[in-house]
Amino acid sequence: GEDVEQSLFLSVREGDSSVINCTYTDSSSTYLYWYKQEPGAGLQLLTYIFSNMDMKQDQRLTVLLNKKDKHLSLRIADTQTGDSAIYFCAGGADGLTFGKGTHLIIQP
Amino acid sequence: GAVVSQHPSWVICKSGTSVKIECRSLDFQATTMFWYRQFPKQSLMLMATSNEGSKATYEQGVEKDKFLINHASLTLSTLTVTSAHPEDSSFYICSASPSWPRTDTQYFGPGTRLTVL
Repeated sequence: GEDVEQSLFLSVREGDSSVINCTYTDSSSTYLYWYKQEPGAGLQLLTYIFSNMDMKQDQRLTVLLNKKDKHLSLRIADTQTGDSAIYFCAGGADGLTFGKGTHLIIQP
Repeated sequence: GAVVSQHPSWVICKSGTSVKIECRSLDFQATTMFWYRQFPKQSLMLMATSNEGSKATYEQGVEKDKFLINHASLTLSTLTVTSAHPEDSSFYICSASPSWPRTDTQYFGPGTRLTVL
């Protein structure tokens, strides 16, 4: 089955860019996803990228996909305190496999 | 658009009782719904895939007699935790994939926190 790996914590200063990285093993996913989980809340779909794309930009979010290396990243520009959350990457053709989530910590 | 609701959002029950959790797609039809379980500080674990009108497909290690899934219509799937025990306490999340246009995109419900005393 799919294995998805992420680092558990990332600390950045407010206003800087955050880059959250993810590696995966199964290349059959048609889409790869980034989800955000705020404290006490369910998951929110942040963005997704079609597997034949290299990059997708959506306002402050930039997703980069390197299929050769099976590496996915999420860049958040101008990180704000409201971006503090757990970010999950996920993939899978049917029934998603999630990474353990990266806790994004914002320093003032 | 593409809203998925879950009910209840949290529930506390006594050990040995059964709890039903509903997952509804509010503005789209979903042939397929998924049930996940999230343990504290861990990622989501897929429990089962629920297909409208047929039996659910359970992941390895998930007890189908304990976690009963019914996908009665294109907008409703239910998960019943039977004879709940404290180790069943967890955050249960459902997701739904639109029947049309068919993509891998899944829309997640807000989750249900189950606490078994």
